[in-house]
Amino acid sequence: TQLLEQSPQFLSIQEGENLTVYCNSSSVFSSLQWYRQEPGEGPVLLVTVVTGGEVKKLKRLTFQFGDARKDSSLHITAAQPGDTGLYLCAGDRRNYGGSQGNLIFGKGTKLSVKP
Amino acid sequence: GAVVSQHPSRVICKSGTSVKIECRSLDFQATTMFWYRQFPKQSLMLMATSNEGSKATYEQGVEKDKFLINHASLTLSTLTVTSAHPEDSSFYICSAQAGDRGRYDEQFFGPGTRLTVL
Repeated sequence: TQLLEQSPQFLSIQEGENLTVYCNSSSVFSSLQWYRQEPGEGPVLLVTVVTGGEVKKLKRLTFQFGDARKDSSLHITAAQPGDTGLYLCAGDRRNYGGSQGNLIFGKGTKLSVKP
Repeated sequence: GAVVSQHPSRVICKSGTSVKIECRSLDFQATTMFWYRQFPKQSLMLMATSNEGSKATYEQGVEKDKFLINHASLTLSTLTVTSAHPEDSSFYICSAQAGDRGRYDEQFFGPGTRLTVL
């Protein structure tokens, strides 16, 4: 079974704090995507990482893809209440036995940033 | 760009009736569309993959006769939940993939449809 383990499951922090969310697997992925989902809405793509060791920055968000393309992390600096939401990682197994465009989703990290 | 819409956003129906959910790619042609189901406080579970003009591929455990998928055009896929029961109540999300944007083209998600079966 191809699994993506996300941790932590829940995170409640104060505004201004830093945090890191982890996404780990024993499987290799062609690429890995991070999404943010608000209650009652669909996931919104934040970033796609493709190359092992790749680091991408999106304002206060830093995404890293592991060298072996099995894990990824999302780091948020100086979190704000607007960052509150469900963060999902999803791995693309397309070139490693997955069907076309088959994303494997982690269970998500529910982040709450209090003012 | 890459906007995906779903209709309706919410639907309440009686047990035994059928419900159709539409998924449209508004500004691009989607060669592949995906249907997911999400239970409260859980992640997305892929139900099926549909390619325009061909039969959908269903994930293990998903009844193809209950969840009918039609991908008749490059911008529209429909999911029909037939003879709905309360256990079918869930949040259904579609996504669309252009297929011609390179090897690592992303899936763009719709806003979801909340189905409640009474």
